[in-house]
Amino acid sequence: NAGVTQTPKFQVLKTGQSMTLQCAQDMNHEYMSWYRQDPGMGLRLIHYSVGAGITDQGEVPNGYNVSRSTTEDFPLRLLSAAPSQTSVYFCASSYGTDNEQFFGPGTRLTVL
Amino acid sequence: GESVGLHLPTLSVQEGDNSIINCAYSNSASDYFIWYKQESGKGPQFIIDIRSNMDKRQGQRVTVLLNKTVKHLSLQIAATQPGDSAVYFCAESGAGSARQLTFGSGTQLTVLP
Repeated sequence: NAGVTQTPKFQVLKTGQSMTLQCAQDMNHEYMSWYRQDPGMGLRLIHYSVGAGITDQGEVPNGYNVSRSTTEDFPLRLLSAAPSQTSVYFCASSYGTDNEQFFGPGTRLTVL
Repeated sequence: GESVGLHLPTLSVQEGDNSIINCAYSNSASDYFIWYKQESGKGPQFIIDIRSNMDKRQGQRVTVLLNKTVKHLSLQIAATQPGDSAVYFCAESGAGSARQLTFGSGTQLTVLP
């Protein structure tokens, strides 16, 4: 199994640009989530999904959209990038909401 | 809102010694606690978890202790090795249909030769 994969690894955007961060898992996990990690801080939950077709907001959802059309994929969209969205983004998945979450390697995003 | 905090931001230990990393939580409704290890440039890696109906849980070289009375969580690493150098996060979540993990800010563990 590849586990949780994320693309791209690095991205530089200009303010106002849009982009999609990709996340995929091959473990047939129902629960997937997106976090952001700022320097010297823990991870903060952006959005999560408990299954295909079901998404909900986390702690810091503003400026981000998600969709879950398949069990495997959970893309994160930035509609109009802002410098405050400069961060490292991690995707995670688990069998259920009450189980260990497996994290991807992260996407380092810089917004100029 | 509720938060998970750590007592110390950095911890240095001699190779071979035991390490203890502490974490305080404030949400009395939290019933699931996890420790993650994050090496530089990588995603968090699960170490061990514990549920609120337990006081102690042991893994390979690691032990997690939960004191619900004072809302305190600790991670003990036995015979600390250079490969244990990383940032350690505690995280907690409450019961519900969709658990949301709340992470602490992390403790940087440095193992000295």
